Amino acid sequence: DTAVSQTPKYLVTQMGNDKSIKCEQNLGHDTMYWYKQDSKKFLKIMFSYNNKELIINETVPNRFSPKSPDKAHLNLHINSLELGDSAVYFCASSQDVAATYEQYFGPGTRLTVT
Amino acid sequence: AQSVTQLGSHVSVSEGALVLLRCNYSSSVPPYLFWYVQYPNQGLQLLLKYTSAATLVKGINGFEAEFKKSETSFHLTKPSAHMSDAAEYFCAVTQGGGGNKLTFGTGTQLKVEL
Repeated sequence: DTAVSQTPKYLVTQMGNDKSIKCEQNLGHDTMYWYKQDSKKFLKIMFSYNNKELIINETVPNRFSPKSPDKAHLNLHINSLELGDSAVYFCASSQDVAATYEQYFGPGTRLTVT
Repeated sequence: AQSVTQLGSHVSVSEGALVLLRCNYSSSVPPYLFWYVQYPNQGLQLLLKYTSAATLVKGINGFEAEFKKSETSFHLTKPSAHMSDAAEYFCAVTQGGGGNKLTFGTGTQLKVEL
């Protein structure tokens, strides 16, 4: 069983479109995250939810909107896609927000905006 | 504020040779430190973590790292490189509080040659 799964794995779309990426974890964790990895492989946190509550909201355009329907799911919706949104988006989860708990990462969603 | 510096974006070693990947951190409070590995087109996998217990931390696949507060370092080592170790390695730091926000270094690409 995959601990943290993401769909889709690849997403190719045109500028101006709206798209969503879904993430699910079956680890029973309370905290979930979205990270963005750019073309130079630099990873940066975007959002974090703990028990469905938003606790980290980095400087991200408000075209990006996360939603957590329950503790096991964290989705990312992106409006009006731009070329610069092309990246690999990783979902992660951890047992809770304590820094001692490691984060488990999903396989990533490669978003290409043309 | 917290940050991580990884010296050497590319490291090349011969199979059987020592692997040394460097990581220096900056943190205003005692840090929690992690090493993750990313194989091509995959998510990140935790190698090891330091959470203020033993300063020498052993991880998976024969890797270990030593936390040196005086040098603000957390270098990753492996006595004998294997071809399967070729991957991208990321050092990351987080602090207590603040929602377990991981700050990553820029990564080191390890190449293992015959």
